[in-house]
Amino acid sequence: NAGVTQTPKFQVLKTGQSMTLQCAQDMNHNSMYWYRQDPGMGLRLIYYSASEGTTDKGEVPNGYNVSRLNKREFSLRLESAAPSQTSVYFCASTRTGLYEQYFGPGTRLTVT
Amino acid sequence: SQQGEEDPQALSIQEGENATMNCSYKTSINNLQWYRQNSGRGLVHLILIRSNEREKHSGRLRVTLDTSKKSSSLLITASRAADTASYFCATDAYGSSNTGKLIFGQGTTLQVKP
Repeated sequence: NAGVTQTPKFQVLKTGQSMTLQCAQDMNHNSMYWYRQDPGMGLRLIYYSASEGTTDKGEVPNGYNVSRLNKREFSLRLESAAPSQTSVYFCASTRTGLYEQYFGPGTRLTVT
Repeated sequence: SQQGEEDPQALSIQEGENATMNCSYKTSINNLQWYRQNSGRGLVHLILIRSNEREKHSGRLRVTLDTSKKSSSLLITASRAADTASYFCATDAYGSSNTGKLIFGQGTTLQVKP
């Protein structure tokens, strides 16, 4: 099992450009999450999908959109990137009742 | 806003010593978890303690939970250089168990010197 995979690993964008971060899990988990991590801080929840077909805002959703494509895949889109979105983005998944989350390796995004 | 606050922010010890880090949170919880993050990597789950438990052990890890003080501590005994990492506590707010949403603390950076 690959667990949780994320692509790309690194990305540099100019202000105003758009991009989609991809996340996939092969553990048959029903819940998936997108977090951002800024230097010296913990993770902040951007969006989550408690089950296939549903998505909800987290703590810091502004400037982002998500798509739960199917049970395996959950993508995060930046429509018009801003320097404030420079961060490391992590995808995670879990199964209802399991509580512990499994994390991907992260995408390091720089917006100039 | 961050639910958890961790203390200390940074900790440096010698190999073989014990490391203790603390986490405080604000709201009632179902569970509290601890995660480890090695530099440049994703988080890895270490241990979960339920709100009706006071202490839990896993190998060299010991976690305590005091719900009256809304605080938890993680003790790593006989530390090794490989324990060098950042450690985060995470809580799931009471009533959110069907979503699995977690709120993370800001983390403690542990350096274990050989």
